Amino acid sequence: SQELEQSPQSLIVQEGKNLTINCTSSKTLYGLYWYKQKYGEGLIFLMMLQKGGEEKSHEKITAKLDEKKQQSSLHITASQPSHAGIYLCGAEKSGANNLFFGTGTRLTVIP
Amino acid sequence: DVKVTQSSRYLVKRTGEKVFLECVQDMDHENMFWYRQDPGLGLRLIYFSYDVKMKEKGDIPEGYSVSREKKERFSLILESASTNQTSMYLCASSSGTPPYEQYFGPGTRLTVT
Repeated sequence: SQELEQSPQSLIVQEGKNLTINCTSSKTLYGLYWYKQKYGEGLIFLMMLQKGGEEKSHEKITAKLDEKKQQSSLHITASQPSHAGIYLCGAEKSGANNLFFGTGTRLTVIP
Repeated sequence: DVKVTQSSRYLVKRTGEKVFLECVQDMDHENMFWYRQDPGLGLRLIYFSYDVKMKEKGDIPEGYSVSREKKERFSLILESASTNQTSMYLCASSSGTPPYEQYFGPGTRLTVT
């Protein structure tokens, strides 16, 4: 079965630093979704990528999907304490309209 | 603004009790989902529904059932709660046409003692 592997599992950065989170699949991704979760709360949709080589940005967060559509990265520029939380990638199951998720990356930003 | 609400943020129940978790969405979405989230295991799909009165088993349906009598409401039922069902439960909804981004509720942290 297809799985999503996220790295790193956790990340601690100083405020102002840039960081990257990766999401890797063993099979081609049909739709890749990035979510953020504040501790103890629900998930907030960030952005979705579909095409190989696609890149999207929202404020200081940029997500990319590689050409082979097997890896996505989430890059945060000049991190702030408000960026802290758990970042999860999710992907569409082939032939279905539901998603499966990676185990998440816990981000801590030190002021 | 998109909204998914869950009936409780925190719930404490005793072993053997019947537990109802309710989820309501106001986006007229066809699809609704129930997940549980546990440290180290991530988000796991329990059940989902593509339409009223329809349900499909997810990856971990054992010990759970669901009900969808109206389009906007999806209930998760623990027939006889057990301590290993202590977890964070998340409800989500999505459109029936792509893209399938899911919108999540705030979660219910259930503790079974």
